[in-house]
Amino acid sequence: DIQMTQSPSTLSASVGDRVTITCRASQSISSWLAWYQQKPGKAPKILISKASTLETGVPSRFSGSGSGTEFTLTISSLQPADFATYYCQQYNTYPWTFGQGTKVEI
Amino acid sequence: QVQLVQSGAEVRKPGASVMVSCKASGYTFTVYYMHWVRQAPGQGLEWMGWVNPNSGDTHYAQRFQGRITMTRDTSITTVYMEMSSLRSGDTAVYYCAKEGPVSGLHHWGQGTPVTVSS
Repeated sequence: DIQMTQSPSTLSASVGDRVTITCRASQSISSWLAWYQQKPGKAPKILISKASTLETGVPSRFSGSGSGTEFTLTISSLQPADFATYYCQQYNTYPWTFGQGTKVEI
Repeated sequence: QVQLVQSGAEVRKPGASVMVSCKASGYTFTVYYMHWVRQAPGQGLEWMGWVNPNSGDTHYAQRFQGRITMTRDTSITTVYMEMSSLRSGDTAVYYCAKEGPVSGLHHWGQGTPVTVSS
């Protein structure tokens, strides 16, 4: 199975900060990577697919980059609604696998 | 708009089975694979497998092989996930999630809590 490792596990930040989350795959997954945001008690919501494609309705302060084994999710100016847990997920190879999550907190 | 509405919370004893349903609407049901993902309390997301609503074909994560069955009923645009031989470690919220046009999980159900306890 492909292991997805996110860093950091927890991130403390303030409104207006630029935030970067890293996701590393244990082997190359090309650009077959998605990022999700999850708030407590809610289902995950897709933010980015194919490593860098912003999904419809997602604010432009979110961006994704990378290919192969190294990927990043960047929030250019953190907003109150962005405090949540973020997951990366590879869909290059079955079984699809998720990172362990990064909690963005105040 | 796309909606995935799941069945309600379930409580089962160890060794029992559970079936969770996911009613889809707002799109052509047979076009996109439906996946199941679970999340244990306080833990991350775990992919379980998919069902092709058009053909009924399935693909399961190895660790669930022999214990889960995913099916669909096209007449009522509903998919099902049945898990047998439940144990306490299966306590989790189970989500159905619709695959997108270029893959990834684009729409999610609200989640179904399943508690396994004696």
